[in-house]
Amino acid sequence: NAGVMQNPRHLVRRRGQEARLRCSPVKGHSHVYWYRQLPEEGLKFMVYLQKENIIDESGMPKERFSAEFPKEGPSILRIQQVVRGDSAAYFCASSPPAGGLNYGYTFGSGTRLTVV
Amino acid sequence: SQELEQSPQSLIVQEGKNLTINCTSSKTLYGLYWYKQKYGEGLIFLMMLQKGGEEKSHEKITAKLDEKKQQSSLHITASQPSHAGIYLCGAPTYHFAGGTSYGKLTFGQGTILTVHP
Repeated sequence: NAGVMQNPRHLVRRRGQEARLRCSPVKGHSHVYWYRQLPEEGLKFMVYLQKENIIDESGMPKERFSAEFPKEGPSILRIQQVVRGDSAAYFCASSPPAGGLNYGYTFGSGTRLTVV
Repeated sequence: SQELEQSPQSLIVQEGKNLTINCTSSKTLYGLYWYKQKYGEGLIFLMMLQKGGEEKSHEKITAKLDEKKQQSSLHITASQPSHAGIYLCGAPTYHFAGGTSYGKLTFGQGTILTVHP
């Protein structure tokens, strides 16, 4: 029973390029959350998605960032025109349809984005 | 907004020693999660506490949530080098949108534990 799978584990992008981060939730989990861990800062919520719907994107920067969770395939966090300040570890978490409040949240190993 | 403060920020102990990490919330906790993160890796779920006064143990790690549900502690007995890492507490806040209820986790800044053999 695989856990949350994130890829790539490490991603290097030049300033101005696009970064695509993928997250496959635990089988049977329909809720996906993205968190960002900036250097010297804690983990911060970015966005919460269900299949084909963005439910809460209150933690997403207003520009250049977008997320999706299509009917088929992994959830994607997309960062356009990356800047050095986007360098961080991005974590995906998933929970069952009943939500994580009673069952907890399973986190992936993260994608470490470095912008050069 | 809810804030979690962890103490200490870092801890260095000799193998075999006991240690405690605290997590204090600015608001009443609806639940509290403890995770461990090895440097450069993901978060490993340790325990979830929901009720005031609740205590859970797994191997040599015990977590408690106080009666007032504003503070949690994580205690490691007879520490080992394998316990080294960053310990994070996380608290959910309830929300309702899109026809579903869900929780967003707010995390403490983490406690870096080093265990010397």
